[in-house]
Amino acid sequence: AQSVTQPDIHITVSEGASLELRCNYSYGATPYLFWYVQSPGQGLQLLLKYFSGDTLVQGIKGFEAEFKRSQSSFNLRKPSVHWSDAAEYFCAVARGSTLGRLYFGRGTQLTVWP
Amino acid sequence: EAQVTQNPRYLITVTGKKLTVTCSQNMNHEYMSWYRQDPGLGLRQIYYSMNVEVTDKGDVPEGYKVSRKEKRNFPLILESPSPNQTSLYFCASTKQGEQFFGPGTRLTVL
Repeated sequence: AQSVTQPDIHITVSEGASLELRCNYSYGATPYLFWYVQSPGQGLQLLLKYFSGDTLVQGIKGFEAEFKRSQSSFNLRKPSVHWSDAAEYFCAVARGSTLGRLYFGRGTQLTVWP
Repeated sequence: EAQVTQNPRYLITVTGKKLTVTCSQNMNHEYMSWYRQDPGLGLRQIYYSMNVEVTDKGDVPEGYKVSRKEKRNFPLILESPSPNQTSLYFCASTKQGEQFFGPGTRLTVL
């Protein structure tokens, strides 16, 4: 069975500070990895994805994530957070053979202080 | 415009009254899915479909049915809703692993 762990339920940062949201997965082979963002009262938007190749992937809104196979991690980072980044962030994993079968973490709620 | 639509967006119903939430996509995607989102639990997959007439259970299929008679439509059916199915539901279609989500349906079962 696959699982996705987001250890931090809630993170608070000041505007302009750097951000790192953690994500760990359990899956034997190389997974397909995703980060989604959900703003209050909104649907989910894809921030970035990793399928293969360069382990550092760039996404929208200035986010990036790094795949580390040895640590089974796919942490999301942003060098300088903006107040509009306040939202809930979800990490997700899929297997290559069944891309429609997606497993989500429980989410990390980000609060940004002015 | 490429999109996934769901209807209704909000629904309040009573225990045992059958309901259907519709989902439609205009991107010709083969994969479609239904999720429920509950506070502290993230999104959990209910059912997914790999193509017309091909569906499979996700993590929480109990109490739900789906059908995929056409590529664009993937309705979610609650034959006898119960209060524990009160939740926010999302439909999604998938291309190359990327999920395109609908706007969500907030369901309350009294």
